[in-house]
Amino acid sequence: GQQVMQIPQYQHVQEGEDFTTYCNSSTTLSNIQWYKQRPGGHPVFLIQLVKSGEVKKQKRLTFQFGEAKKNSSLHITATQTTDVGTYFCAVNFGNEKLTFGTGTRLTIIP
Amino acid sequence: KAGVTQTPRYLIKTRGQQVTLSCSPISGHRSVSWYQQTPGQGLQFLFEYFSETQRNKGNFPGRFSGRQFSNSRSEMNVSTLELGDSALYLCASTPGAAQVKETQYFGPGTRLLVL
Repeated sequence: GQQVMQIPQYQHVQEGEDFTTYCNSSTTLSNIQWYKQRPGGHPVFLIQLVKSGEVKKQKRLTFQFGEAKKNSSLHITATQTTDVGTYFCAVNFGNEKLTFGTGTRLTIIP
Repeated sequence: KAGVTQTPRYLIKTRGQQVTLSCSPISGHRSVSWYQQTPGQGLQFLFEYFSETQRNKGNFPGRFSGRQFSNSRSEMNVSTLELGDSALYLCASTPGAAQVKETQYFGPGTRLLVL
C-alpha cells in the first residue's frame, strides 16, 4: 500500500542547534503538508508544498519539496524551547485522503 | 472565529459499550474529517464528510461510523468498544471540498479510554 516514512522518530538537540525531519514516499505525491503538535495539544498546520523543488521559509523554518515530489524536509535553524513538539508530514497520493507520517518528536535540551 | 470544538474532551468506557463523539467545525467550514491518534499507529484517517455525505473512508472496521448534519456538525460512533479503541480522536475542518489541498484545522480531541 501507499505509505510515507518519516525519520527520525525522535530527535534530542541542544537549544541553538539545528533540527531536520524528513518525509519519504516511494510514489509521487500530489502535495504535502506539515503540521506541529505540541505536547498535550492538537496538530496545527504549518505549510503546504505543491510544486516540484519548492522551498518555503517561515522565520527559522525551511520546508523543501523534492524535485521528484517523493520526499520533503523541514529544517529548523537555531532551535528554541518553543520548538518542542512532534512534527508530522501529511501527504496526498492523489486519492483524496491525507496520509500522515509517524511524526518526529523534538525535545530541546536547555 | 471560534475554533473547532469537540465534546466530550475525556471519556471512560468499558469493553462492549458504544460511544458517540461530537465535532463542531469552524463556522462556514463544510468538510469534517476524523482521525484516530495512538502512540503506536500515529494519526490514522477514519472518514471525511462534506455536505452531509461521506466522501472518503479509511481502513477501519464497520464498528466505526459517522454522520454529518446540515449545519456541518459531525458525530462519530464506535460500537462494541475494544481495548484497542483507546485513543485520542481528533476532528478537523476545512472550508471546502478539497480536503487534501486545504489547511486542516484540528479540534482539541476527545481522549477515549476503554477499560
